[in-house]
Amino acid sequence: KQEVTQIPAALSVPEGENLVLNCSFTDSAIYNLQWFRQDPGKGLTSLLLIQSSQREQTSGRLNASLDKSSGRSTLYIAASQPGDSATYLCAVKTGANNLFFGTGTRLTVIP
Amino acid sequence: GAGVSQTPSNKVTEKGKYVELRCDPISGHTALYWYRQSLGQGPEFLIYFQGTGAADDSGLPNDRFFAVRPEGSVSTLKIQRTERGDSAVYLCASSLTRGTSADTQYFGPGTRLTVL
Repeated sequence: KQEVTQIPAALSVPEGENLVLNCSFTDSAIYNLQWFRQDPGKGLTSLLLIQSSQREQTSGRLNASLDKSSGRSTLYIAASQPGDSATYLCAVKTGANNLFFGTGTRLTVIP
Repeated sequence: GAGVSQTPSNKVTEKGKYVELRCDPISGHTALYWYRQSLGQGPEFLIYFQGTGAADDSGLPNDRFFAVRPEGSVSTLKIQRTERGDSAVYLCASSLTRGTSADTQYFGPGTRLTVL
């Protein structure tokens, strides 16, 4: 069964810093990998999707990379802002149709 | 256009009662998913619909849980004889197609179920 791990579980940074969130998965046979953002008491917002044939995707200050062979992905956030404070979830889609999620990294950006 | 909507946003019930949770997917999305998220955890898959049929219900924890999507749009997750361990946020997601690597799942805000 696919297992997804996210490190660190929580992270606090001062505003303006660049940061990296890590995600690892045990089965490299994936269709895609998605990064989501979840605000307290809210649903999930999709940030970036990387297809299995791709190495990275960028959206604004966010950049996600994928190394399928080693089972790793990183989410890079540039010039962090207090509004970036949220929980960031990594999820992989396997041959089945559902997503396997990590437990998330809770990010706090301190003004 | 509207995103995925879920009702109610909060549901408090007593142990042993029956509950129904509703999901309205994005119009035109043929695939619909239910997940359950316990406190401090990532969402866990429950069931997947392609059109009206449940294509994969392997994530349903036991036979107290059942879901339907009779017209291929709105879906209802039904829980019989609720237990305190069923307390969680139930998330619904939809996507345009299935089985492609470019398929993005769009999530609703969830229903927070509390079983007393």
